[in-house]
Parts: sequence; structure tokens; C-alpha cells
Amino acid sequence: LAKTTQPISMDSYEGQEVNITCSHNNIATNDYITWYQQFPSQGPRFIIQGYKTKVTNEVASLFIPADRKSSTLSLPRVSLSDTAVYYCLVAYNQGGKLIFGQGTELSVKP
Amino acid sequence: DGGITQSPKYLFRKEGQNVTLSCEQNLNHDAMYWYRQDPGQGLRLIYYSQIVNDFQKGDIAEGYSVSREKKESFPLTVTSAQKNPTAFYLCASSGQTRPSSYNEQFFGPGTRLTVL
Repeated sequence: LAKTTQPISMDSYEGQEVNITCSHNNIATNDYITWYQQFPSQGPRFIIQGYKTKVTNEVASLFIPADRKSSTLSLPRVSLSDTAVYYCLVAYNQGGKLIFGQGTELSVKP
Repeated sequence: DGGITQSPKYLFRKEGQNVTLSCEQNLNHDAMYWYRQDPGQGLRLIYYSQIVNDFQKGDIAEGYSVSREKKESFPLTVTSAQKNPTAFYLCASSGQTRPSSYNEQFFGPGTRLTVL
């Protein structure tokens, strides 16, 4: 059974690097992993996407180890405005399933 | 401006009534999706459509219905058969026609439905 699991919450301080890990033990070779950011009462906003090794853009990095059973979203030098819920999404080609994790509530403190 | 709009932002209905949530996009995307969000449960897929006049059930389609008569529009009807309809409903669209392939989904602002 495909399942996507994340920690429920994390705390951090301004300026620190934050790493949020998502577990997806049934992932296949070409299944994509996507991360979204969501503020209260708003729609999720795309952060980053990949399916192997490492992807980096202007706001985050995504690390995917060789076995692909997990992935880590890395946010460098977080600020107070990064306080939000972060969702991991795995798009499974087998069966066309889209499985979101339950979200990680990140709280950044001054 | 290109994007997805959902209306209304807040919606209140009496139990037993059907209600239709609007979703419009001007991104020229083929695929559109409806999700339900409950506290602590992430997003769950209700229905999706890869092309006009075609749609597929997601994981929690019971008690919901959709139509896709135009590329830009994908309205969701919450019927009286939905046992617990109070939730935050999110619409999304994607340029990819297969929901499981590389597909950055663009989300609307959501509609919060409360059934009294």
C-alpha cells in the first residue's frame, strides 16, 4: 500500500537550515516527488520537484538517496515568513495515484 | 493575470442541500483536480479530469460529482449523500495530462464549506 509519511511538526530559528524528510517506501523508478508550501486558508504553492539524486532551485534543495525510499526537503537559512505547512507529494505512475503526506507544520522562531 | 480562481471563499449550507463549488483556470491547462483538506490529514483527491468531457474518480469520490464541459472550468458538486462535507476544498490544474507524470500542479485559493 502506497503511503507518504512526514513528521507532524518541526521547530526552527531564523537563519538555520531546516531539513524535512518524507518517507515513501513503495516508490518506483520514475515516480516523482514534489514539495508544496501552504499558508493558512490558502492553496499550496509549489516549491520543488525531482525523482533522483539532487535538485536545487532558488528557494530549496531536494535530496533523494539511491534507494528512493525517502526524500529530504532542505530550506537554507529560514526566516519567520517560512512558517507554514510543508507537504510531500508522490505521483505514482503505477495506478496513477497522487499521495500527499499529512504535512509538516514548520514553526520558525526569532 | 493567469491563474486559478475558486468561488466563493466561504460557503455555508444546510444539511441535505447540494452545493456546487466553482473552479476556473486561464492557464490553458488540460488537467484539473479537486482535493479535500481536513485538519491533520493532508490533501485527498476527489476527482480529476485530463481532458474536456472526461473525468475520473479519485480516492474519495463518494458523495461528490463533477463535470468538465469546458477546458477552463471544473465545478464540483457536494451532494447530500456526502456524509461529512464540512472541509476546505482545493482545485488545481496541471499542464500534464497524466496525473502521475511530471506535473507541477497550480492550486486555487480554496473554498471553505461549512454545512450547518
